[in-house]
Amino acid sequence: EAAVTQSPRNKVTVTGGNVTLSCRQTNSHNYMYWYRQDTGHGLRLIHYSYGAGNLQIGDVPDGYKATRTTQEDFFLLLELASPSQTSLYFCASSGQNSGNTLYFGEGSRLIVV
Amino acid sequence: QEKVQQSPESLIVPEGAMSSLNCTFSNSASQSIWWYQQHPGKGPEALISIFSNGNKKEGRLTVYLNRASLHVSLHIRDSQPSDSAVYLCAVSPPQGGRALIFGTGTTVSVSP
Repeated sequence: EAAVTQSPRNKVTVTGGNVTLSCRQTNSHNYMYWYRQDTGHGLRLIHYSYGAGNLQIGDVPDGYKATRTTQEDFFLLLELASPSQTSLYFCASSGQNSGNTLYFGEGSRLIVV
Repeated sequence: QEKVQQSPESLIVPEGAMSSLNCTFSNSASQSIWWYQQHPGKGPEALISIFSNGNKKEGRLTVYLNRASLHVSLHIRDSQPSDSAVYLCAVSPPQGGRALIFGTGTTVSVSP
């Protein structure tokens, strides 16, 4: 079974703080994604990656950096967190061996106060 | 940019009834259309996808796609309380890549 693990599951930080959200997949998938989910907006794509060292800009990238260090690991960085970044963040992976189905983690809830 | 809209926002159905959800997208050249299910506190899980015009059945699920009208629907036969969840419609953009674009979801509540 495909597995995507996110950490931390919950995080509270102050405005201007640094936050790193981590994601690891054990599916041997090439593609990994970071989405945020907000009421009234649904899931919106922040950044995604085709493989280690690759980064593609999504639809709502402002204020976020991402880094794909290995095929398994994808990180989302908020270097100066703002209250507008309070959200539920999901990591997902996909690959040709899964018929391009996206497999999601269980989410990381971030609150910026 | 591709837009995906879902209706209704929420739906209450009695156990055993049919649940019908709608989704419209903005580009007829979009690739596959997906339906995902999301239970509270969990990540979305893929339910079913369709690429060609027409319908596709898997168990209690039926999907209908009409590219000319930019419309796809999901029907859940014999709805069960465990079907209570948010249902997300998603499309693969025509320019390729695997980053799906999601709608805002329909919340389905099945009453016993």
